[in-house]
Amino acid sequence: DTGVSQDPRHKITKRGQNVTFRCDPISEHNRLYWYRQTLGQGPEFLTYFQNEAQLEKSRLLSDRFSAERPKGSFSTLEIQRTEQGDSAMYLCASRKGGGGGTDTQYFGPGTRLTVL
Amino acid sequence: QQPVQSPQAVILREGEDAVINCSSSKALYSVHWYRQKHGEAPVFLMILLKGGEQKGHEKISASFNEKKQQSSLYLTASQLSYSGTYFCGTDSVLGNTPLVFGKGTRLSVIA
Repeated sequence: DTGVSQDPRHKITKRGQNVTFRCDPISEHNRLYWYRQTLGQGPEFLTYFQNEAQLEKSRLLSDRFSAERPKGSFSTLEIQRTEQGDSAMYLCASRKGGGGGTDTQYFGPGTRLTVL
Repeated sequence: QQPVQSPQAVILREGEDAVINCSSSKALYSVHWYRQKHGEAPVFLMILLKGGEQKGHEKISASFNEKKQQSSLYLTASQLSYSGTYFCGTDSVLGNTPLVFGKGTRLSVIA
């Protein structure tokens, strides 16, 4: 199994710019999750997909955030008109799903976003 | 609702033991434990399913008290490599829901 991969690993942008992150889950994992983590905090849930369907979005996910998972494979997270408060580590995780909830989520290395 | 972890931080000397607790106010299906080192992604350690089982992984084990909605992570004979931040992630009673993570417990093991 190759693990979850994310690209880019680091992104520095200026306030007001748009950014897009990519996540490639473990193959055959039909669930894909996006989390945000700031210093000293645990990962905070943003949204998740089962195959290509976006099933849940957190109230943390403002209108400036959008996520897609075309064809149920990789996913993208786009942030429009970035603000300094968006600076964080964006983590992607995948889970096989099914199995009555006896499996777990595996995290990618994250994309660290810095908004200047 | 976010689970509560305690303690927030702990410092150990090599060889000492530690217990990290995770408590939820909601009924749970499972508790997942992760360790995260600085600048890296959380790494999965183990999953505890409702039923009160206890699991072990090297010198790290955990238990889950379903009635109290509490889980504890036990680290015995700690090693320098155990340093990091430990997170519990909870899966609601429905199972297969996005994990909700606590704020973490920072563990530092010193020589």
